[in-house]
Amino acid sequence: LAKTTQPISMDSYEGQEVNITCSHNNIATNDYITWYQQFPSQGPRFIIQGYKTKVTNEVASLFIPADRKSSTLSLPRVSLSDTAVYYCLVGGYNTDKLIFGTGTRLQVFP
Amino acid sequence: GAVVSQHPSWVICKSGTSVKIECRSLDFQATTMFWYRQFPKQSLMLMATSNEGSKATYEQGVEKDKFLINHASLTLSTLTVTSAHPEDSSFYICSASKLAGGAETQYFGPGTRLLVL
Repeated sequence: LAKTTQPISMDSYEGQEVNITCSHNNIATNDYITWYQQFPSQGPRFIIQGYKTKVTNEVASLFIPADRKSSTLSLPRVSLSDTAVYYCLVGGYNTDKLIFGTGTRLQVFP
Repeated sequence: GAVVSQHPSWVICKSGTSVKIECRSLDFQATTMFWYRQFPKQSLMLMATSNEGSKATYEQGVEKDKFLINHASLTLSTLTVTSAHPEDSSFYICSASKLAGGAETQYFGPGTRLLVL
């Protein structure tokens, strides 16, 4: 299972774009990269998933370079409600379990 | 959609009693479900992998006789904490795997807060 490394914490202000980078040097060929958001006392919420290049949905973008050894979650124009812990995980098709790292605690200030 | 529910959302029990937590995938079938435990200000720790119709696979250090897992259908898995003690107090979260577009994605329940007195 690929191990992931993220910054422990990040601060931002409302309206700014936030980019959280995750390193996963030993990602396997069939691994996907998935990001989750977790608020206190809640289960993680799926944000976005990708395999390579760029993926965009209504809440975020995911940038994955060609070597796939890292990925960057981009949150456009964050608001106070985006204050949460963000987890990057890697796992492949039929790779059953996910191992959570420390996550990145994002604090958004007014 | 991919909605996962848990019941109860919180439970308080006396030491020595058993507590059952249910995890349901509401709008999809999940061959595989997972159980996690999370202590305050820590990350999620995987406890076990639950496959429908077969025995659960427990992570190292997790006592299978204490944390009984049953996955009786494609939409329901249960975790029973037997003879609970105060150190079992934690936030228990389940997830269910959904296959879409070639990728397996886990969707998480809202969690169950267990307090053992």
